[in-house]
Amino acid sequence: GAVVSQHPSWVICKSGTSVKIECRSLDFQATTMFWYRQFPKQSLMLMATSNEGSKATYEQGVEKDKFLINHASLTLSTLTVTSAHPEDSSFYICSARDSKGKSSGEAFFGQGTRLTVV
Amino acid sequence: KQEVTQIPAALSVPEGENLVLNCSFTDSAIYNLQWFRQDPGKGLTSLLLIQSSQREQTSGRLNASLDKSSGRSTLYIAASQPGDSATYLCAVRRTGNTPLVFGKGTRLSVIA
Repeated sequence: GAVVSQHPSWVICKSGTSVKIECRSLDFQATTMFWYRQFPKQSLMLMATSNEGSKATYEQGVEKDKFLINHASLTLSTLTVTSAHPEDSSFYICSARDSKGKSSGEAFFGQGTRLTVV
Repeated sequence: KQEVTQIPAALSVPEGENLVLNCSFTDSAIYNLQWFRQDPGKGLTSLLLIQSSQREQTSGRLNASLDKSSGRSTLYIAASQPGDSATYLCAVRRTGNTPLVFGKGTRLSVIA
């Protein structure tokens, strides 16, 4: 299957700092990537849809200015958590779909990033 | 709004048992359904993808069925092993370009 690489896999940061998470599709192009957040023992909740070359679409309740998304190329989307607070501590995971369509809509996920804000 | 429910929330079985995990969704207008496995603190591993026109998919000891009209899918695991212990997530997609909607998962423990 296709490979989505997410980096870093874990990060610890101080309150008030910003953290950037990268999501790369390694062997396919993805015009759309999705960012999810997962709290302990909960399911994945969609945060935003990242569109190459245009603004991201955010889900209701997700702060655009806090979670900055940039999708500058067909293989890379980044999520920046700005002015992080302890309540932002969570597991963040990205997903991408092969734009050329060979995979019939199968979603591929990155390894996830465990963010801890202290 | 699509809602996905997985039953049971947790399951503990002895090694070697066959088991069934259930998934239901409220809106039958789906493009496809995917089953994933998630180990603690890890990302998602895709297990099986069923297109809306398909009834089932098989991979090794795993078999997933889809009854789109009734909004149900099952994941059958044959001859369970301790290595199968993980959380199993079911997710559906409304169209080819929309994000997946996930259930809360079933936490499976296979006891040796």
